[in-house]
Amino acid sequence: DADVTQTPRNRITKTGKRIMLECSQTKGHDRMYWYRQDPGLGLQLIYYSFDVKDINKGEISDGYSVSRQAQAKFSLSLESAIPNQTALYFCATSDGTSGVVADTQYFGPGTRLTVL
Amino acid sequence: RKEVEQDPGPFNVPEGATVAFNCTYSNSASQSFFWYRQDCRKEPKLLMSVYSSGNEDGRFTAQLNRASQYISLLIRDSKLSDSATYLCVVTARGSGYSTLTFGKGTMLLVSP
Repeated sequence: DADVTQTPRNRITKTGKRIMLECSQTKGHDRMYWYRQDPGLGLQLIYYSFDVKDINKGEISDGYSVSRQAQAKFSLSLESAIPNQTALYFCATSDGTSGVVADTQYFGPGTRLTVL
Repeated sequence: RKEVEQDPGPFNVPEGATVAFNCTYSNSASQSFFWYRQDCRKEPKLLMSVYSSGNEDGRFTAQLNRASQYISLLIRDSKLSDSATYLCVVTARGSGYSTLTFGKGTMLLVSP
């Protein structure tokens, strides 16, 4: 079984709809992240969480919210989806101990979201 | 200046060729450096961490020059399976050392 899973893997929705993307991990890591990737662009950080009580905005958090329900679960919500949120969304984890090992991130398979 | 810059490519090389990718970063306080590999429509996967002394993993060699804020990846004896996009990744500025900044990636196409 994969260490980092994301659901759904593909989603088509309409403008204005609320949608939630879910991420679960079995790696036992404290730190979790949400990224989006647009064609020809690098990954952009949306939100990150260093533990269950910690939530931080990334570089492109507008229009998104997150919830860290447990160490293993981190969900991303689009309260009112718009077409320019069409993208590939990745969840990632890291163990947050120290040094290079702490910084290494492990990614889920991604969710392809289309907003019509 | 963009935080992490890479030549987007694509680099088209024949099997067996040696190919080198370069990357520059703007944050002199960056502490950790990586190369990730991303296949089309798939998640990024760690290829190797990059250490100041340089490091090698089989056909792959990574180098770091902190003074010039430059990272490189050398792939020897290219295989068809090396075709992918290679992402240069460094720690982000001022947001805790565990958030990463990704370059846009360099695409490699290895042909028979």
